[in-house]
Amino acid sequence: QSVLTQPPSVSAAPGQEVTISCSGGSSNIDVSWYQQFPGTAPKLLIYDTYKRPSEIPARFSGSKSGTSATLAITGLQTGDEANYYCGKWDTSLDTWVFGGGTKLTVL
Amino acid sequence: QVQLVQSGSELMKPGASVKVSCKASGYSFTEYAMNWVRQAPGQGLEWMGWINTNTGNPTYVQGFTGHFVFSLDTSVNTAYLQISSLEPEDTAVYYCARGRTWTSSASYMDSWGQGTLVTVSS
Repeated sequence: QSVLTQPPSVSAAPGQEVTISCSGGSSNIDVSWYQQFPGTAPKLLIYDTYKRPSEIPARFSGSKSGTSATLAITGLQTGDEANYYCGKWDTSLDTWVFGGGTKLTVL
Repeated sequence: QVQLVQSGSELMKPGASVKVSCKASGYSFTEYAMNWVRQAPGQGLEWMGWINTNTGNPTYVQGFTGHFVFSLDTSVNTAYLQISSLEPEDTAVYYCARGRTWTSSASYMDSWGQGTLVTVSS
């Protein structure tokens, strides 16, 4: 059982916005987000809770409130259908933890 | 550019051992932590632990002690995951991933290998 809780699935129509939550752990720890297409390796989307690697489009953004972080994807495209994972270093456990993952379906 | 290239898929018999390699290029190998992540079929990502590429000191998550061993060959910028006494339950894709600002509150994994499928079957 993950220390970080994500919804198992979310869905939205093309062009709309979707948010994926990641809750649990300490509030002062930065969260990162990873995108994984079936059969491929995960890819870093967001780090330090808010920051995007240069190659990631601005449609992807991160935020947090208290002990919950959120990944938002605007202008949804069918190519965004993937599994999304959050992760962070848990200072109380002194270990890295992943969320259980969220499957995004673009209807 | 940063690249992590892993060895190819393996089909192994129960009880055998396998060694997965992860060759790094495009950066100073000993300046960044190397993590290992397991993904069982149809399941999520599971962090196995990490190895300090500067000291060679490995850290294993509970549940991955015993028959999992992380090692390095810094002369060829390569990290290894050895799994001994393989069981069918070890069937999974194993990823290496570079860790940034590792073990701090701002830790993250910025580059990933392509994954190595290890299948254990009689």
